[in-house]
Amino acid sequence: NAGVMQNPRHLVRRRGQEARLRCSPMKGHSHVYWYRQLPEEGLKFMVYLQKENIIDESGMPKERFSAEFPKEGPSILRIQQVVRGDSAAYFCASQTGRNTEAFFGQGTRLTVV
Amino acid sequence: GNSVTQMEGPVTLSEEAFLTINCTYTATGYPSLFWYVQYPGEGLQLLLKATKADDKGSNKGFEATYRKETTSFHLEKGSVQVSDSAVYFCALSDAGGGTSYGKLTFGQGTILTVHP
Repeated sequence: NAGVMQNPRHLVRRRGQEARLRCSPMKGHSHVYWYRQLPEEGLKFMVYLQKENIIDESGMPKERFSAEFPKEGPSILRIQQVVRGDSAAYFCASQTGRNTEAFFGQGTRLTVV
Repeated sequence: GNSVTQMEGPVTLSEEAFLTINCTYTATGYPSLFWYVQYPGEGLQLLLKATKADDKGSNKGFEATYRKETTSFHLEKGSVQVSDSAVYFCALSDAGGGTSYGKLTFGQGTILTVHP
């Protein structure tokens, strides 16, 4: 039973480009949470999705960021027109339900140059 | 809103020393409390959890007790090993209702380094 898979592990983008981060949840998990970890800080919630629905995006910047979790395929976090301040580690966690254990992927480390 | 405060780090100890990492929280309702560990270049792994007051979570020699009266969930280990070197995060989840939707609120993390 594979764990939560995130790819790529490392992503380098120039300012103004788009970054696309993927998260494949564990088998049987239909709840996905995305978190961002800035250098020297803890993780901060960004968005919570269930299959085909965004449930809570209160932690996601209103502009340039979007997320989806289609019926088939991985969850995608998309950052348009990246800026240096977007450089961070982005983690996703999958769960079978809201009040269940969160399993984290290894993260995508985004560097904007 | 919910918040978690961890003791300032980093923490450096010799092998077999006693470890305490303090964690206090602010939350509405009755949150579940967690400690996660992050090894270099890896994602977070659940270390232990407690879901109600006075519960004690324990795993791999680590333990923490959910203290509602002091809103604390301090992590302890009697004898640390070099392999315990990692970043430790205290977190809470208020999945009981409202609009928190079970998301985790994390402390800022404490870097632990254990020397032989």
